[in-house]
Amino acid sequence: DAKTTQPPSMDCAEGRAANLPCNHSTISGNEYVYWYRQIHSQGPQYIIHGLKNNETNEMASLIITEDRKSSTLILPHATLRDTAVYYCIVRVVGSWGKLQFGAGTQVVVTP
Amino acid sequence: DTAVSQTPKYLVTQMGNDKSIKCEQNLGHDTMYWYKQDSKKFLKIMFSYNNKELIINETVPNRFSPKSPDKAHLNLHINSLELGDSAVYFCASSQDRGFNEQFFGPGTRLTVL
Repeated sequence: DAKTTQPPSMDCAEGRAANLPCNHSTISGNEYVYWYRQIHSQGPQYIIHGLKNNETNEMASLIITEDRKSSTLILPHATLRDTAVYYCIVRVVGSWGKLQFGAGTQVVVTP
Repeated sequence: DTAVSQTPKYLVTQMGNDKSIKCEQNLGHDTMYWYKQDSKKFLKIMFSYNNKELIINETVPNRFSPKSPDKAHLNLHINSLELGDSAVYFCASSQDRGFNEQFFGPGTRLTVL
């Protein structure tokens, strides 16, 4: 599976949009982009995933560049409860569910 | 209702002991996983079972033996515990092996003294 690069940390003010970048320049055509987050001491939580089109759900939006080499997770109105480590993962279609987590981005939402 | 549950939440034991961690999911999923999160916070997949059949074994030492008595349960037994086994172990499940999201349990913090 392709490797991903994320900034180690970022801060966001409560109520503002949080834009989390992820670089996956070696992604191949059969790899999806997944985002998970891990709130302190809890199990990871699925956020969103996509192949090449932008996606939106009740938690976030995922913007994937046309060349698919990078993506941005957008939390539209960050709250204190969004403080967590966010993981960007690329996963091959049919790879038996194997998620390979990197170091992620520690997001701290401040009042 | 809890989707993926693990017991115990905390486990403290001596080197050389044998211990088990239990995992149950009530989501009706076909696939279950074990992940290990070490002290540096890296999460790594260990095993995956689909319909009670082992499909992923990430070169985990054979002291670790997963057991799936049925689709809803995936237990992890660890023999001859070592200091390096200290970590948080997460169980997860997904509807199938495809693209569906994985649901994680709350984790079991294992400390080997």
